[in-house]
Amino acid sequence: EPEVTQTPSHQVTQMGQEVILRCVPISNHLYFYWYRQILGQKVEFLVSFYNNEISEKSEIFDDQFSVERPDGSNFTLKIRSTKLEDSAMYFCASRGQGSTGELFFGEGSRLTVL
Amino acid sequence: GESVGLHLPTLSVQEGDNSIINCAYSNSASDYFIWYKQESGKGPQFIIDIRSNMDKRQGQRVTVLLNKTVKHLSLQIAATQPGDSAVYFCAENPGGSNYKLTFGKGTLLTVNP
Repeated sequence: EPEVTQTPSHQVTQMGQEVILRCVPISNHLYFYWYRQILGQKVEFLVSFYNNEISEKSEIFDDQFSVERPDGSNFTLKIRSTKLEDSAMYFCASRGQGSTGELFFGEGSRLTVL
Repeated sequence: GESVGLHLPTLSVQEGDNSIINCAYSNSASDYFIWYKQESGKGPQFIIDIRSNMDKRQGQRVTVLLNKTVKHLSLQIAATQPGDSAVYFCAENPGGSNYKLTFGKGTLLTVNP
C-alpha cells in the first residue's frame, strides 16, 4: 500500500539552527501539506502546496518557514532559525487528484529545539 | 472564531461495546468532514469521511453522522476492540478545493478488555 514517508523520525537541534524536514509523498499525488502537532494539542495546518507553489498558508507559517519540492519525489519543510516553540511533531500529507478530500499522512518527524 | 471542538476529551469503554465520539463545529461553510485515528507515535489515519450533503455514512464497523442543524458530527464504532484504542480527531474542510483541514482537539478512546 502506498504511503507517505518522512525523515528524520526525530531531530534534536539547538535554538537558532536551521532544520530541514523531508517527505516523500505518494507518487501520483499532486497536493502536499505540512501540519504540526505540539505535544498534547491538536493537529494544526501550516501550508499547502500545489503545482510547485504555495496554495495556502497559516499564520504560523511565517518568514522562518519555507517549503520546496526540489525534485519529482521530495517535499521539504525548512525552518531557518528554530525557536523553542517550534518543538512539535511535523506531519507531511498528500492528496490525489479528484474530489475526495482524504489526506494521507506520514508518520511524522519529531523536532526538539533546545 | 471558527473552530472544531470535541465534547469529551476521554472515553473509556468495554471491549465489545459500541463507542460514540462527538464533535462540534462552528463553521457553517464547511462542506466536508473527516475522522482520523491517531495511535501513539504515529500519524493520523483516515477512518471515514462525509460531505455536507449527507447526514450519515457507514463504513466497516464505523458510522459517521452529521447534523448540520446543530453543527454536530459523531463517530460510532461498533463492537469496539482493543485495537481501536487511540486518539480520534474530527476535521473539517472550511470550503474550497484546497482541503486545508481544521482539526479538533481529539478524544482519547480507551478500550478495556
